Amino acid sequence: GAGVSQSPSNKVTEKGKDVELRCDPISGHTALYWYRQRLGQGLEFLIYFQGNSAPDKSGLPSDRFSAERTGESVSTLTIQRTQQEDSAVYLCASSLAPIPSSLDEQFFGPGTRLTVL
Amino acid sequence: AQKVTQAQTEISVVEKEDVTLDCVYETRDTTYYLFWYKQPPSGELVFLIRRNSFDEQNEISGRYSWNFQKSTSSFNFTITASQVVDSAVYFCALILSGNTPLVFGKGTRLSVIA
Repeated sequence: GAGVSQSPSNKVTEKGKDVELRCDPISGHTALYWYRQRLGQGLEFLIYFQGNSAPDKSGLPSDRFSAERTGESVSTLTIQRTQQEDSAVYLCASSLAPIPSSLDEQFFGPGTRLTVL
Repeated sequence: AQKVTQAQTEISVVEKEDVTLDCVYETRDTTYYLFWYKQPPSGELVFLIRRNSFDEQNEISGRYSWNFQKSTSSFNFTITASQVVDSAVYFCALILSGNTPLVFGKGTRLSVIA
């Protein structure tokens, strides 16, 4: 079956512009996670959704970052007034359980590579 | 707070050599889960293994093996008879029980040279 998909795969933008990154989780997966991976670094947690709600927004780096999820499906991560330090690969993952559990494997998408010039 | 340390930034080995990737974790919780993921050049994260804190049995899967030692808070990963296709960045990660995200190490870049 289809895995987690993300679009666009690559995005180049100018500093100060807004960008929207999209994630389509595996059908039926109620939990959805956004992570950021800067060049040569590990993954940083940004936000997760349980259904359409985001109980944990602690990882969002600043108020320029926001995310939403609709229909317990697609999620968009929006970065306003992008800065060069926002350049990174943004990874989305989804997992099955109604309540996110350590027992459930998170399936990762291929990521969106964002470059802010 | 939880932390995962992968001290080896890059490792380079010749094909058919064995290689061990180190992972040390920190948590005060007694219930937690440890993971290894592989990130090949394509970028997608590939799940390799999950181990819970109550199961210290070592695991072998083909050429891969994992050594979990709570006494040293380590969860090391060994690839036996490495192959060029093993070249990737490998991440160790930790999650607590409940609604928490994965905490990743910074990864170890493994290059296997033919």
